[in-house]
Amino acid sequence: GENVEQHPSTLSVQEGDSAVIKCTYSDSASNYFPWYKQELGKRPQLIIDIRSNVGEKKDQRIAVTLNKTAKHFSLHITETQPEDSAVYFCAASSNTGNQFYFGTGTSLTVIP
Amino acid sequence: SQTIHQWPATLVQPVGSPLSLECTVEGTSNPNLYWYRQAAGRGLQLLFYSVGIGQISSEVPQNLSASRPQDRQFILSSKKLLLSDSGFYLCAWSMGRSTRAFFGQGTRLTVV
Repeated sequence: GENVEQHPSTLSVQEGDSAVIKCTYSDSASNYFPWYKQELGKRPQLIIDIRSNVGEKKDQRIAVTLNKTAKHFSLHITETQPEDSAVYFCAASSNTGNQFYFGTGTSLTVIP
Repeated sequence: SQTIHQWPATLVQPVGSPLSLECTVEGTSNPNLYWYRQAAGRGLQLLFYSVGIGQISSEVPQNLSASRPQDRQFILSSKKLLLSDSGFYLCAWSMGRSTRAFFGQGTRLTVV
């Protein structure tokens, strides 16, 4: 089955700086890669996703990049704000199965 | 638009008691449905998923079970709770393989 690894587990940045979270996956059949943000005590919320036929996708301050050859994808948050503080999860899924495989999460703290 | 409802939001149950958590989805047909568990400060563990009525796939063996009696209803059950069953239980839905998944609000279960 798929194995998704996520790094770092914790990340602290100063407000206004950029944050980068990286994930790797093992199954070359994986073709869909969503990112979720989970605030304390709340449900994970989808913030951005990318498909394997695209190398990069951007939505305002958030961007995701995908390197299919190396089997890794990354979340980039620019101009971080305190409200970006949360746990972020990457995930992978393929059209050969119905599961989503999640990374172990990154706790991001943006210091004002 | 589609919505997902999950209840109750919090639950305190004694060891050995039964459990029933319910999740329903509105505004769509034949969704994939998922149950995840999240231990405190940990990642998302897939417990069960379902691609149709009566079709349940189990990811990990434990004293929990799932049922899908109706197209948009997913139930998580246990006959006898263990202390280790405490956690944040999340229901999610998606429209099939490699598509966006959305989470319910979650149920925080404490077994005492």
